[in-house]
Amino acid sequence: DGGITQSPKYLFRKEGQNVTLSCEQNLNHDAMYWYRQDPGQGLRLIYYSQIVNDFQKGDIAEGYSVSREKKESFPLTVTSAQKNPTAFYLCASSPGGAGHTEAFFGQGTRLTVV
Amino acid sequence: EDKVVQSPLSLVVHEGDTVTLNCSYEVTNFRSLLWYKQEKKAPTFLFMLTSSGIEKKSGRLSSILDKKELSSILNITATQTGDSAIYLCAGNYNNNDMRFGAGTRLTVKP
Repeated sequence: DGGITQSPKYLFRKEGQNVTLSCEQNLNHDAMYWYRQDPGQGLRLIYYSQIVNDFQKGDIAEGYSVSREKKESFPLTVTSAQKNPTAFYLCASSPGGAGHTEAFFGQGTRLTVV
Repeated sequence: EDKVVQSPLSLVVHEGDTVTLNCSYEVTNFRSLLWYKQEKKAPTFLFMLTSSGIEKKSGRLSSILDKKELSSILNITATQTGDSAIYLCAGNYNNNDMRFGAGTRLTVKP
């Protein structure tokens, strides 16, 4: 079945460690997104990518990094520079281009700093 | 400045009530406005509104885009406890930039 897969579902990080969250889609979508969600809050954009080998910073990119080497994959690295990384992370994709389309979401990764 | 602003941030109603959720958006490079419902994990798509499609309806839910006021409303009639969720509004902009508002947490009591 087509969709977006995020892994792992739960992730624990020690302070000072970098961790990488995986996002894979088999929808042949050009655009991919990473959002952070804190308890009871909306989604804040971290990074997005329109196309392979291209990505743009969102509102809260500091302390995060991404890559887009393949169309299907858009991994997010939470670096030690991110001082408060505990949150729920959602990946999304959309067909992109100039058309009007909705985005589809993965099931999320809950990151906890221990 | 936030591109998308939602209000209220939270709302508590009783079953059978009608609710109206608000969303305002920045017009520069605007392409479409989307509404999502989030119950536990992944948000699920409700409506997309564009300049050429400013009103949508599905069952008890409906949404309107007001291009003059740069805003949208999501109406839910005859609310049920299953409508309890966070409702998210997103602006889709040129270059596929998609920004969400802070969400409205709706609680429907029996």
